[in-house]
Amino acid sequence: AQTVTQSQPEMSVQEAETVTLSCTYDTSESDYYLFWYKQPPSRQMILVIRQEAYKQQNATENRFSVNFQKAAKSFSLKISDSQLGDAAMYFCAYRRPLTGNQFYFGTGTSLTVIP
Amino acid sequence: DAGVIQSPRHEVTEMGQEVTLRCKPISGHDYLFWYRQTMMRGLELLIYFNNNVPIDDSGMPEDRFSAKMPNASFSTLKIQPSEPRDSAVYFCASSSRTEANQPQHFGDGTRLSIL
Repeated sequence: AQTVTQSQPEMSVQEAETVTLSCTYDTSESDYYLFWYKQPPSRQMILVIRQEAYKQQNATENRFSVNFQKAAKSFSLKISDSQLGDAAMYFCAYRRPLTGNQFYFGTGTSLTVIP
Repeated sequence: DAGVIQSPRHEVTEMGQEVTLRCKPISGHDYLFWYRQTMMRGLELLIYFNNNVPIDDSGMPEDRFSAKMPNASFSTLKIQPSEPRDSAVYFCASSSRTEANQPQHFGDGTRLSIL
């Protein structure tokens, strides 16, 4: 079964600085998708960024970017110029596109932004 | 476009009562997922449906929990009888298999408190 591991239960970053959240996954598949979700205190699950495994180029969305290392099965999220509104729980998720459509979520990393 | 709609947003009830949580997925999505989120266990998949048919209910904690999807636009998660340990946030999410790179879209969740 696929597993997604987020080894950092909590992280903190100074406002305007950069922080990287780690995610690793276990799979024997070659084709899959990876996502980062943000859950602020309002508890909404908000998609931050996605990455297709067949793409070598790392995805970016404004201040958010990923470091996708397929061979290492690593999918870290980098937040640049951190803002107070970035404070949230962040979940990494894995999806197999061809069977079941099921998503596998990590246990989350709680990010605190220090003013 | 309307997102995934869950109701109620909050539910407080006494132990032993029946609880029914409701979900309307995004129109056109053929997968629907029910999750439970707690501090101790994180985000747990309870059950998911494909084209209104339950595919995997192995995450349902016990017989007190049941879920139905009578049509493509409505699903319920029922707990009968409820217990204090069922207190959690329950999320419904939907996705489309034909849109392989698309994420799961989450509702705003129902915060359930069993007294």
